[in-house]
Amino acid sequence: KNEVEQSPQNLTAQEEEFITINCSYSVGISALHWLQQHPGGGIVSLFMLSSGKKKHGRLIATINIQEKHSSLHITASHPRDSAVYICAADGLTFGKGTHLIIQP
Amino acid sequence: KAGVTQTPRYLIKTRGQQVTLSCSPISGHRSVSWYQQTPGQGLQFLFEYFSETQRNKGNFPGRFSGRQFSNSRSEMNVSTLELGDSALYLCASSLHESSTDTQYFGPGTRLTVL
Repeated sequence: KNEVEQSPQNLTAQEEEFITINCSYSVGISALHWLQQHPGGGIVSLFMLSSGKKKHGRLIATINIQEKHSSLHITASHPRDSAVYICAADGLTFGKGTHLIIQP
Repeated sequence: KAGVTQTPRYLIKTRGQQVTLSCSPISGHRSVSWYQQTPGQGLQFLFEYFSETQRNKGNFPGRFSGRQFSNSRSEMNVSTLELGDSALYLCASSLHESSTDTQYFGPGTRLTVL
């Protein structure tokens, strides 16, 4: 069974700060998913990656297959980035989520 | 293109009853996955259906079941409801197998068991 750990659990930062959220898993996977959940419940898939790095706007996701580790970075963070960020190994096993608050 | 829809959005049931939740995927998507989300356990995978076949099943008791129809719409059923089944139930659809494809989530059905 894959164990997925996320850190930090909670993160409060100021607007414009560079944000990093980490995700580690215990068993090799085909793909790592990053999800965003806003208050109210709606979930949006941000990235699905199996190697290297992907970028979408101010969001960057990286994965190191050998170290079983992925990171989600947010550059020039904004209050609208405030949400829960969840990683998922193969879309089957989820981390507990990182509660991110960006203060103006 | 319409997104993933789930019905009903809210549901209140009592212990011992059964419930059926419905999910309509994005047109053309063949995979539908179901998840349970609770404050204590977070998101947990229930099962995935692809072209009417169950491809994957999470670690939930047999009271939780599902099916997928030929039009890719899916239903999940929970029998003999327990208080601990109170949760947000989410479905997601994807064009291909969900583990290696982008998933599109529905708004969820919030189930309260009294």
